[in-house]
Amino acid sequence: SQQGEEDPQALSIQEGENATMNCSYKTSINNLQWYRQNSGRGLVHLILIRSNEREKHSGRLRVTLDTSKKSSSLLITASRAADTASYFCATVRNNAGNMLTFGGGTRLMVKP
Amino acid sequence: NAGVTQTPKFQVLKTGQSMTLQCAQDMNHEYMSWYRQDPGMGLRLIHYSVGAGITDQGEVPNGYNVSRSTTEDFPLRLLSAAPSQTSVYFCASSYSASADTQYFGPGTRLTVL
Repeated sequence: SQQGEEDPQALSIQEGENATMNCSYKTSINNLQWYRQNSGRGLVHLILIRSNEREKHSGRLRVTLDTSKKSSSLLITASRAADTASYFCATVRNNAGNMLTFGGGTRLMVKP
Repeated sequence: NAGVTQTPKFQVLKTGQSMTLQCAQDMNHEYMSWYRQDPGMGLRLIHYSVGAGITDQGEVPNGYNVSRSTTEDFPLRLLSAAPSQTSVYFCASSYSASADTQYFGPGTRLTVL
């Protein structure tokens, strides 16, 4: 069963706007990661946040983690057409080594 | 470095046929894994390996075999293909079983008729 569930499933915005995607999960985790997948391509690692962290930044990306609510959000600021892709959250559970459990993803379209 | 490479890019099989999906990495990574991606399901772990000679099952291992005779290669075998195995298959690797970042290959799109 999937550990993470993304919301919304699809998001369409104009270039320059901010995009927010949410992820919920079910069990205790070691860390949570966000990946991007361009159409027909493999996944690219974007950012990782550990269970003892609440917020992390990387360029235009901001990730938050609320372990009490078992949820995370990914914010992309000042979006660009090149940000159009699917975004997945993936969790690594405690004592699960490096095994990633993915959610269903959010399809983001940024219109120029 | 070429990173993680997968062959073939596309494959069509008939039910009952067997085939091997190839995965190779040139980053000297210990940890390698196979995922399948179905529409709306995200990725699900099939098998993984923490080093040469060591493999283990993931979430959806039935119908697939793996082996890890070298650090570089991690082939995935479909013994008797079924239409339910129609999917996109991704191989991934990371430096170790506790490393944070995994690197994904470009995927193999498999159709079983």
